[in-house]
Order: sequence, then structure tokens, then C-alpha cells
Amino acid sequence: EDKVVQSPLSLVVHEGDTVTLNCSYEVTNFRSLLWYKQEKKAPTFLFMLTSSGIEKKSGRLSSILDKKELFSILNITATQTGDSAVYLCAVEGGAGSYQLTFGKGTKLSVIP
Amino acid sequence: DTAVSQTPKYLVTQMGNDKSIKCEQNLGHDTMYWYKQDSKKFLKIMFSYNNKELIINETVPNRFSPKSPDKAHLNLHINSLELGDSAVYFCASSQFRGGIQYFGAGTRLSVL
Repeated sequence: EDKVVQSPLSLVVHEGDTVTLNCSYEVTNFRSLLWYKQEKKAPTFLFMLTSSGIEKKSGRLSSILDKKELFSILNITATQTGDSAVYLCAVEGGAGSYQLTFGKGTKLSVIP
Repeated sequence: DTAVSQTPKYLVTQMGNDKSIKCEQNLGHDTMYWYKQDSKKFLKIMFSYNNKELIINETVPNRFSPKSPDKAHLNLHINSLELGDSAVYFCASSQFRGGIQYFGAGTRLSVL
């Protein structure tokens, strides 16, 4: 069965800290790995990774994929209270090859 | 201009009732999805349609029936609602099969 495991499940940090969120996966027919941020409502897209070792970056957020070791990390530097959210990792693949299997998410709380 | 919109946002109903949730996307995407997010915040695929054709149909009770009148709309009809159906239901779309999915704001269904 396809599986996506995120760690830690929750994290509390102070503003200005740097955090690393982890995502490991076992998914057949891997196509890509995606990171989403979910605040109160809809998950919003952050990154899509398909190749190993190439860092994707957007402002203070960055992510990298290791297809050999089957994991990805999401880094957030100089955290702000607005970064408080659940971060979801999803892997595209599986029996249908195109479906997303989501992890349970990491709940990040940034306190002033 | 909401890209993926769902109605209603909230739905409170009694056990045994039949209800529908509507979803529309104005992105010109070919593929649409329904996800269920339970109380533990786990997001799980239910159905996917590509150009009005069902392509993913995960193991959900047959009380759930998706209907796609055209590629911009994917509705979810639920018969004989049960307590366990209480969850947030998200609609999403992607340009083609697979790739980045864009989510609606969700419909919070409460079955009493």
C-alpha cells in the first residue's frame, strides 16, 4: 500500500527560528512530490519536485527531494507567525499513477 | 475570481438524508477530484474525473456518487448520510491528469 509519512507531526518554534519538515514515502510509480500549506481552509500549493538533488526555493521556503532515499525536506528560515499552518506532503503516483497520496501533515506553530 | 469554488461551505443535516455538494473550476483544467479530510486532518482521494470520465474511484461506499456534467463541474451526491460521513470535503482540479492540484475552500459536512 502506498504510504507517505511526515515528521514531526507537530512543532512549536519561536519567530526567527529555522525549521525542517520531513517527508518519506513508499509509492509505486513515483511521478512527483508536492508540498502544500493548509491554514484554515484550502491547501495551497508550495512546491513540486520531480528530480533528485535540485532545490526549489521561494523566499524563505525551500525544498529538496532525494529519490534514492525516498524522502524530501521542507525548510523554512526566519519563521514568522504567518508561517503557522499545517504543511502537507503529497506524492503523485500509485496504482493509477496520477493520484496524490497525502501524509498526515506537520502542524507548525510559530510563537512571537 | 475564485479558481475552484465549492458550495455550500457548511452543511448540517440529519442521518439518513441525501445531500449534494457542487464544485466548479474556472481554470480551464481537464481533471477534477474529490477528497475527504477527516477529523484527524488526513486528506484522502475519493474520485477523479478527466474530461467528464471517471478515472479514479477509491474504495468509498456506493452511497457516494460523483457526477460531472462538463469538465468545469464535478458534483458529489451522498445518499443516506451516516454519522461517519462528517468531514470536510475538498474539490480540486489540475490542468491534466496529475501534476499540481488546486483546491477549493472545502465543504464542512456535519451529520447529526
